[in-house]
Amino acid sequence: AQKVTQAQTEISVVEKEDVTLDCVYETRDTTYYLFWYKQPPSGELVFLIRRNSFDEQNEISGRYSWNFQKSTSSFNFTITASQVVDSAVYFCALSEMGKTGANNLFFGTGTRLTVIP
Amino acid sequence: SAVISQKPSRDICQRGTSLTIQCQVDSQVTMMFWYRQQPGQSLTLIATANQGSEATYESGFVIDKFPISRPNLTFSTLTVSNMSPEDSSIYLCSVVASPSTDTQYFGPGTRLTVL
Repeated sequence: AQKVTQAQTEISVVEKEDVTLDCVYETRDTTYYLFWYKQPPSGELVFLIRRNSFDEQNEISGRYSWNFQKSTSSFNFTITASQVVDSAVYFCALSEMGKTGANNLFFGTGTRLTVIP
Repeated sequence: SAVISQKPSRDICQRGTSLTIQCQVDSQVTMMFWYRQQPGQSLTLIATANQGSEATYESGFVIDKFPISRPNLTFSTLTVSNMSPEDSSIYLCSVVASPSTDTQYFGPGTRLTVL
């Protein structure tokens, strides 16, 4: 069965600190996608990144970086030099490749990040 | 990606009434979904909105409570019927613009409070 675990319920950091949000997943499939979404206080769910299971290269986008390690089934998200605008709930999610449809996007419980000015 | 809008963005409703939420996409999409997010919780899939046919509901959700329409490939509605305070949630629609990527893009959500 598929499962996504975000063990950190809430994290607080002071502005300009780096912060890493952890995500551990379980799946029996060998082909899958991993996602991160950001939900600011306004409630909208913003897509940040999708990685497929074939590609373990780390990715960097500005202050954001993602570390995908199949050996530990983890897909961690790091924000460098955090800013107040980064305050949000962040969700990690998993879907099985090629099975788009109902009940195929499995969300973690989310990590609430608060960046203190 | 796709640009998705939802109406209303928020509402406060009385117990026993119904509210219809609209989801509009700027391009034709193959798949549309409706989710509920209860306060402080993660997202729960309500149903897949099927174009031209009845929606496919997840366990725990029924058509009488959450009727869904999808008359075309760019529009869907979700009705929350006979509301109670337990229905207070954010309701989000999502779409898959390209089946090859499996990426769901979400609308801005409708924040519903039931008194």
